[in-house]
Amino acid sequence: ETGVTQTPRHLVMGMTNKKSLKCEQHLGHNAMYWYKQSAKKPLELMFVYNFKEQTENNSVPSRFSPECPNSSHLFLHLHTLQPEDSALYLCASSQEMRQAYEQYFGPGTRLTVT
Amino acid sequence: AQSVAQPEDQVNVAEGNPLTVKCTYSVSGNPYLFWYVQYPNRGLQFLLKYITGDNLVKGSYGFEAEFNKSQTSFHLKKPSALVSDSALYFCADDNYGQNFVFGPGTRLSVLP
Repeated sequence: ETGVTQTPRHLVMGMTNKKSLKCEQHLGHNAMYWYKQSAKKPLELMFVYNFKEQTENNSVPSRFSPECPNSSHLFLHLHTLQPEDSALYLCASSQEMRQAYEQYFGPGTRLTVT
Repeated sequence: AQSVAQPEDQVNVAEGNPLTVKCTYSVSGNPYLFWYVQYPNRGLQFLLKYITGDNLVKGSYGFEAEFNKSQTSFHLKKPSALVSDSALYFCADDNYGQNFVFGPGTRLSVLP
């Protein structure tokens, strides 16, 4: 899993905290994704960046704010989260957003909101 | 938009026996279908994909999948299961290149 790395691996934060999740891909890909994985629910796509431009925002609450400074890095800024936001947050990358390229995932950040 | 269904939450199989994890997709054009595996505390790993051509696709770790257009299915198979194959398996469709649509996942348990 050295292709896509995520930090931190675990995060516990209070509802009033501000924190950021970081994702880095070393594969030379041009598309990057944030997913939320909750227990008993399908994987939820949150944001998509293709060539550093945001192309998808699946009705994600504004307390989640993505940032993509370049094609290799992706951040998810978190503030005033709710307990129901506790989940595994997965970052992925692919060669491009279209053309049926497979996605490569990082190990995820396990977030707990207290 | 495409949708993907995995009708079984859990599949149990004895080590050495063949395994099948089922996936069906909604009918609309030509799908691009994928299988991923997730081990505990890990991200998803790509196993194989079907784009076009031969209906039998071979992938990593001895897995293969058969695309069946008439049954709108893309079942994952392996001739002889290993205990180490125990994991969560996801089928996905790329939804006309817009984004991936993942199935709910099937937990595979291979019993020694």
